[in-house]
Amino acid sequence: SQQGEEDPQALSIQEGENATMNCSYKTSINNLQWYRQNSGRGLVHLILIRSNEREKHSGRLRVTLDTSKKSSSLLITASRAADTASYFCATSGTASKLTFGTGTRLQVTL
Amino acid sequence: GAVVSQHPSWVICKSGTSVKIECRSLDFQATTMFWYRQFPKQSLMLMATSNEGSKATYEQGVEKDKFLINHASLTLSTLTVTSAHPEDSSFYICSASRLAGPYGQETQYFGPGTRLLVL
Repeated sequence: SQQGEEDPQALSIQEGENATMNCSYKTSINNLQWYRQNSGRGLVHLILIRSNEREKHSGRLRVTLDTSKKSSSLLITASRAADTASYFCATSGTASKLTFGTGTRLQVTL
Repeated sequence: GAVVSQHPSWVICKSGTSVKIECRSLDFQATTMFWYRQFPKQSLMLMATSNEGSKATYEQGVEKDKFLINHASLTLSTLTVTSAHPEDSSFYICSASRLAGPYGQETQYFGPGTRLLVL
C-alpha cells in the first residue's frame, strides 16, 4: 500500500494548547494537502504545500514539508474545542489522485 | 463556490439489493470525479477515478462489476453497489475536481458522504 502514516493516531489536549500531527509518505510528490473531517462528515480542505515549499501558514495552521525525509507536520496553535476532528494528510503525484494518510483523531477539551 | 453534493446521505438496505449513490458538482463542471470508501476510524481509500463519457479506472482490489460507476455528465457521477452485502457497509465519499487554488492545480472538492448499512 502506498498509504502514508500519521502519528499520533489519537491526540487529546486542552483548549489553548498547540496540537502537532505528523505525516510520512512513501513516494515522490507534487504537493501535500491537509484535510479535516468532523465525525461522519465530508472532508474540509485546510492547506496545500507544494513539493518545493518548506513551510506555509494559514491562520492558526502551520504546515512544514521535508521532502528528503518524506514527512510533513501540521501544527494547530491555540486550539479550540471546535478543532476536535480527524485530520488527514494527502499526497498527490503527477496524476490528480490523492493518497490519504491514516489520520490523527484530535480531541480538544475545555 | 465549488460545492459537491451526495444523495442519499444515508441508506439502509437488505443484503442482495443494489444501491445507487449520486455525486453532483453544483456550481462547477468537474473534469474528473473520484469515489472513496471509508471504514470506521480508518482513512479514505480511493476506489475509482471517473471521467465524463469514459469508463472508470478502478484501483487494485476494487471489483468493477460490483461497484458500477456511471459518469453521465460533467456534473454528475453515480456509484451503484450491486448485490450489496453487510461487508459493503461503509461511508462512501465522492469528490469532484477542477483547476483551482493559488497555483491553478487540480483541486478536489469533497461531498458530504453517504453512509451505507447493509443488513
